Amino acid sequence: GAVVSQHPSWVICKSGTSVKIECRSLDFQATTMFWYRQFPKQSLMLMATSNEGSKATYEQGVEKDKFLINHASLTLSTLTVTSAHPEDSSFYICSARSIAVGGVGIQYFGAGTRLSVL
Amino acid sequence: SQQGEEDPQALSIQEGENATMNCSYKTSINNLQWYRQNSGRGLVHLILIRSNEREKHSGRLRVTLDTSKKSSSLLITASRAADTASYFCAHGSSNTGKLIFGQGTTLQVKP
Repeated sequence: GAVVSQHPSWVICKSGTSVKIECRSLDFQATTMFWYRQFPKQSLMLMATSNEGSKATYEQGVEKDKFLINHASLTLSTLTVTSAHPEDSSFYICSARSIAVGGVGIQYFGAGTRLSVL
Repeated sequence: SQQGEEDPQALSIQEGENATMNCSYKTSINNLQWYRQNSGRGLVHLILIRSNEREKHSGRLRVTLDTSKKSSSLLITASRAADTASYFCAHGSSNTGKLIFGQGTTLQVKP
């Protein structure tokens, strides 16, 4: 099956610093990638849709200046949490969309990044 | 909110028993997907059922879809301890590819 690599898997940073998370589709090209946030024991909340070569589309309530998304190639999207604060501590998961037979899209997920802001 | 609901929220069974999880959604769908998440990890795609299908099988998994009731169920037969995980249903737009996830069911299979 399709493989999505997410890096780093765990990061601890000081308040006020920025953190970059990478999401790579290893064996397929993904024109669309997604970034999710997940709180403990809760479901995934979509933050933004990352489109190759164009600006990301953010969900309502997500600060675009806080969570910078860049999708520079068909295999790489990055999420940068700028000026991180403790309330940004969370589990961030990316996914890449692959078009399956019949035109149905399936999302393949990275392993997630646990961000802890001190 | 378009987020669907799943029940039960938590399920604990013995190895060998069957586990059934239910999902309800609010909008019209083209397809519904089920994903699995091990603790602290990403999601793994399990199975997709199209809106014109009523039932689908994959190994020990059986998924049903009732579009008139806007509901789906996932049955895991002959459960194993390794099936312990959270299970999410998801539906979304075939145009944008966005998925809306249900609340999830946490399954614990005791050896």
